[in-house]
Amino acid sequence: GIQVEQSPPDLILQEGANSTLRCNFSDSVNNLQWFHQNPWGQLINLFYIPSGTKQNGRLSATTVATERYSLLYISSSQTTDSGVYFCAVGGGWGKLQFGAGTQVVVTP
Amino acid sequence: GAGVSQSPRYKVTKRGQDVTLRCDPISSHATLYWYQQALGQGPEFLTYFNYEAQPDKSGLPSDRFSAERPEGSISTLTIQRTEQRDSAMYRCASSPGRTSYEQYFGPGTRLTVT
Repeated sequence: GIQVEQSPPDLILQEGANSTLRCNFSDSVNNLQWFHQNPWGQLINLFYIPSGTKQNGRLSATTVATERYSLLYISSSQTTDSGVYFCAVGGGWGKLQFGAGTQVVVTP
Repeated sequence: GAGVSQSPRYKVTKRGQDVTLRCDPISSHATLYWYQQALGQGPEFLTYFNYEAQPDKSGLPSDRFSAERPEGSISTLTIQRTEQRDSAMYRCASSPGRTSYEQYFGPGTRLTVT
């Protein structure tokens, strides 16, 4: 199956800082999604981005499908950004394969 | 509905009992997925449905696990003779299917087997 690697595994940020999370995957994909799992366990859709670049407020994401990686940018981080960020990839209508996640802690 | 809903949100059961979890997908979504998420890990695929059909159940850990979606809408996941290792968050997701592969997740059911 498709292998998904996320880096870094952990990230501690001061409020207001910027950061970049990376997701590498081992095969071509038709689906790539970024999720935020908040401290209450909710899994929130951030981006559906099998290719290209998208922005939503302070967050943006870029996927370079030909080089098999995706990046999630967090700018001007806030304490509410804390949680685990998952990258997940899939080959179409079937399963998503999740990475191990990046644990982000934003301190005041 | 407006989003994916799951019930119950929490379930505590004794080892050996059967449990049934329910998922109500976003209305008109053709495709429905079940995932299992252990503490500290990412969700892992169990099975999915395209309407009533179940094209892939390769992720079901054993024959104690089964899922159905008889009318192509609501789905249930049943675990028979529960074991402590079944304790996890069970997440359901749905996807439009034709127009987009994007999956939308429900709040999950936290299962604890004592």
